[in-house]
Amino acid sequence: RKEVEQDPGPFNVPEGATVAFNCTYSNSASQSFFWYRQDCRKEPKLLMSVYSSGNEDGRFTAQLNRASQYISLLIRDSKLSDSATYLCVVNSLEGYSTLTFGKGTMLLVSP
Amino acid sequence: DVKVTQSSRYLVKRTGEKVFLECVQDMDHENMFWYRQDPGLGLRLIYFSYDVKMKEKGDIPEGYSVSREKKERFSLILESASTNQTSMYLCASRSVSYEQYFGPGTRLTVT
Repeated sequence: RKEVEQDPGPFNVPEGATVAFNCTYSNSASQSFFWYRQDCRKEPKLLMSVYSSGNEDGRFTAQLNRASQYISLLIRDSKLSDSATYLCVVNSLEGYSTLTFGKGTMLLVSP
Repeated sequence: DVKVTQSSRYLVKRTGEKVFLECVQDMDHENMFWYRQDPGLGLRLIYFSYDVKMKEKGDIPEGYSVSREKKERFSLILESASTNQTSMYLCASRSVSYEQYFGPGTRLTVT
């Protein structure tokens, strides 16, 4: 069974801190990887895709390690508005290529 | 920007009622999905569709059906609502690069 595992947290950090989340996936056929952000009682929103060479979007850096089957998200200079649940998502090209969502890691940034 | 809309944000229905949840996307995406999200269980795929009049079962299709008569519209039907179908229902559409965009969700309560 395809699975995506995340530490549920919560991760409690002060403003300005750097925080990192990891996610592991079990399906070695996974080809596409994403991080989504979900605010309380809202829909998930795409934060960033994760590319093989790693990629950065402002304060956010995503890394992929195919050999160990894990994905990471690094947030630098945390803001209060970064408080949310971060979902790790993988896609397999097997079958109908549905996305598999992790249950999320909760981040709480405090003043 | 991709826009996915859902017919209701909140819905209260009685046990045994037939319930229709509507979803519309404006990006001409072929792929559309219905999920439910419950605390501790994450996002679970109910049904998906890769084209008009085409549907495929997800992980938890029991008690649900779907309809896709037009490309932009994907409906979820609860044939006879039960209390265990109280949940947040999220519709999504997906681009060719596998980026998935969610609607705002419908919080359904079955009493």
